[in-house]
Amino acid sequence: AQKITQTQPGMFVQEKEAVTLDCTYDTSDPSYGLFWYKQPSSGEMIFLIYQGSYDQQNATEGRYSLNFQKARKSANLVISASQLGDSAMYFCAMRERLMKTSYDKVIFGPGTSLSVIP
Amino acid sequence: DVKVTQSSRYLVKRTGEKVFLECVQDMDHENMFWYRQDPGLGLRLIYFSYDVKMKEKGDIPEGYSVSREKKERFSLILESASTNQTSMYLCASSFLGLGNTIYFGEGSWLTVV
Repeated sequence: AQKITQTQPGMFVQEKEAVTLDCTYDTSDPSYGLFWYKQPSSGEMIFLIYQGSYDQQNATEGRYSLNFQKARKSANLVISASQLGDSAMYFCAMRERLMKTSYDKVIFGPGTSLSVIP
Repeated sequence: DVKVTQSSRYLVKRTGEKVFLECVQDMDHENMFWYRQDPGLGLRLIYFSYDVKMKEKGDIPEGYSVSREKKERFSLILESASTNQTSMYLCASSFLGLGNTIYFGEGSWLTVV
């Protein structure tokens, strides 16, 4: 069964410093996609970054980068130069095409609560 | 802009009531999803659909059913609401394909008393 693990329920980081949020996943399918979403206190889900399992390079989007280690099945999110507005819940997600089907299943991890300290 | 609209933002229902949560998307997405979000558990997949009238169970389908009669609409039904179904419910939609972004509605806070 698919599974996503985020081992850090809560994290603190000083403003302007970098922080890494951990995500490990479990799948037997060689083809999948990994996503990170941010959920501020307002509740909206904001897409941050995507990494495909066959992508050769780690994904980057502005201050966000994804440290993808396929053999270890990890997809850690790195936020550089943290800002106060980065305080939020962060969710890792995996999308997988189920075998012998034409549909995708998307599951999420339990999330990490990030607090940025001034 | 993609819009995923959930019909009710806040609901209070009594135990045993039948509850309908409606979700509509305006981008012709094939995939639609229903999740519930609880503290410490993240988002858990209840049901998803990849086409009209097609549905698949997620990880926690017990006590729920769904309906997708039109491509743009995906309804979550609680046949007989119970207090342990008090939660935030999130609807999402996406095109099929591993790299396509999943878009979320604002969420529906359901309290069952």
